[in-house]
Formats: sequence, C-alpha cells, structure tokens
Amino acid sequence: QKEVEQNSGPLSVPEGAIASLNCTYSDRGSQSFFWYRQYSGKSPELIMSIYSNGDKEDGRFTAQLNKASQYVSLLIRDSQPSDSATYLCAAYTSGTYKYIFGTGTRLKVLA
Amino acid sequence: KAGVTQTPRYLIKTRGQQVTLSCSPISGHRSVSWYQQTPGQGLQFLFEYFSETQRNKGNFPGRFSGRQFSNSRSEMNVSTLELGDSALYLCASSPDRTSGNEQFFGPGTRLTVL
Repeated sequence: QKEVEQNSGPLSVPEGAIASLNCTYSDRGSQSFFWYRQYSGKSPELIMSIYSNGDKEDGRFTAQLNKASQYVSLLIRDSQPSDSATYLCAAYTSGTYKYIFGTGTRLKVLA
Repeated sequence: KAGVTQTPRYLIKTRGQQVTLSCSPISGHRSVSWYQQTPGQGLQFLFEYFSETQRNKGNFPGRFSGRQFSNSRSEMNVSTLELGDSALYLCASSPDRTSGNEQFFGPGTRLTVL
C-alpha cells in the first residue's frame, strides 16, 4: 500500500514564528509533491508544488524535497493566525493517475 | 480562468436513494478525480477520468460510479445510499502533464444521508 504519512498534530506555534510541517512517502516512483491548505468546512487549496530535490520558495512558504530520504516539508515563515488550518501533503506518480494524500497536520498559530 | 465548479453544493437524501453529483473542471484540464472526505478517514480517492475513460479507481463498492463527458465535465453517482456515505465529495482537475501536474479542487458537495 503506497502511503503518505504526516503527523496529525496539532502543531502550535506563536505568531511570527516558523512553522515546520513534515511528510514522508513510501512510493519511490512518486515524482510530484504538493502541499494543500484546508480550512475547516472548505475544500483543499493548493499552496505549493515541488518536483525536484532542494528548496522552492514562494512568499512566506518554502517547500523542501529530499527524494533519497523520501521526505517533503513545508516551512511557513512569519506565521499568522490566518495560517491556522490543516495542511495536506500529496504525492503523485505518473502512470497511476492517482494522487495519494496524507491525513493532514493541523496547525494552530497562537496570537 | 474559472476554477473547478461542483453542483449541487449541499444535498440531503435518505437511505436507499441515489444521488448524482456534477463537476466542471478548469478550462483545458482533461483529468478529473473524485474524492470522499470524512473526519475519520481523510481524503479517500474514488476514481480518476481522462478523455471519458476511467484510468484508476479506489477501494469503494460498486454503488459508487462515475463518468466523464467529451467536454471533460464529470459526474459521479452513488446508488442505494447508506448512512456512512455522508461526507464531503470533492472533485479535482489537473492538466495531466508529465510534470507540473497540479491538481485543483472544487468547493465540494456536502452530502448528508438520513
């Protein structure tokens, strides 16, 4: 069973701090990785995608990928209370036409 | 570009009935996936369609079915509804490229089975 694993949290960080969210995946054939943010009662919103080893930055968000360790992370700098949400990690393997999602990490940013 | 749209947004049905949910993907996206989301199970993959063909299917009973039309719009159907089918049903579309295959979700249809 191909899986994506995340710590369910909650991860609590003070406002202005860096939030670090982690994810591991089991399928070495996975090529594309995504982070989604989901507010309670809403649908997931894509915030970052990463396809090659290393870091990718977009505003306050940095995604990191290490294919050798099968590890993906998301850093949120200068965390704001509005960042409080569940963050879903997903892996995609072309040929399976299937995105595998983790169960999500709940982030709480404390004002 | 308009995002993924889903109709209806809310549905209340009783056990034994059937339901059809509709999804219109982002213009130019040819791949449509469906998911069921419940608090206990997270996002569960139902099926994926591309060019009117189902390419992958999750572990759901045959009561769950879907189809895709030539304009990439998709529908899913659940027959003989059970209480456990109450969930948020999400549709997502992607361009289906070898790389950069970002998937975008619609707002979902919240189904309540009484």
